[in-house]
Amino acid sequence: DIQMTQSPSSLSASVGDRVTITCRASQSISRYLNWYQQKPGKAPNLLIYAASSLQSGVPSRFSGSGSGTDFTLSISSLQPEDFATYYCQQSYTIPRTFGPGTKVDI
Amino acid sequence: EVQLVESGGGLVKPGGSLRLSCAASGFTFSGYGMNWVRLTAGKGLEWLSSISSSSSYIYYTDSVKGRFTISRDNAKNSLYLQMNSLRAADTAVYYCARVESGSSSEYFQYWGQGTLVTVSS
Repeated sequence: DIQMTQSPSSLSASVGDRVTITCRASQSISRYLNWYQQKPGKAPNLLIYAASSLQSGVPSRFSGSGSGTDFTLSISSLQPEDFATYYCQQSYTIPRTFGPGTKVDI
Repeated sequence: EVQLVESGGGLVKPGGSLRLSCAASGFTFSGYGMNWVRLTAGKGLEWLSSISSSSSYIYYTDSVKGRFTISRDNAKNSLYLQMNSLRAADTAVYYCARVESGSSSEYFQYWGQGTLVTVSS
């Protein structure tokens, strides 16, 4: 199975800050990497697919980059509604594995 | 509007069984692969199982293989997850999610609201 790790596991930031979350795969997954945002009591929300494609309707302050084993999710200017947990997920092989999540506190 | 609505969660004793359902609407259900994903307090999101549009391809993660069975009824626009031999570690919110596939991508754009399964004596 491909293991996904994320760093940091949590972070505290202020409104307006630039935030970067890193995701690493245990083996190359090309660009088969997705990012989701999840708020308490809500379903996950797709932010980025195929490593860097912004899902329709997602604010442009979110961006993704990377390929192979190393990926990043960036939020250019943190907003109060961005308080959430962020997960990366690989769709290269079965089982489809998620990272452990990064909790962002405002 | 795409809608996925899960049902069937609840409190069950260890070793018990439960059948989750996911009712789909707003799209041609028979044209999409579907998945089950759960959210646990300790492990975050965990992919459980997938089923192709015609049920030809079915996959499971190791932790549920042999205990859980995914199925679908395209005539009823419904997805199911039969869960047997439940353990405390299966306590989670269970989501169904629709698969979107591209030339070099696969992702979950649409999710249900989730149904809570609690395994406790």
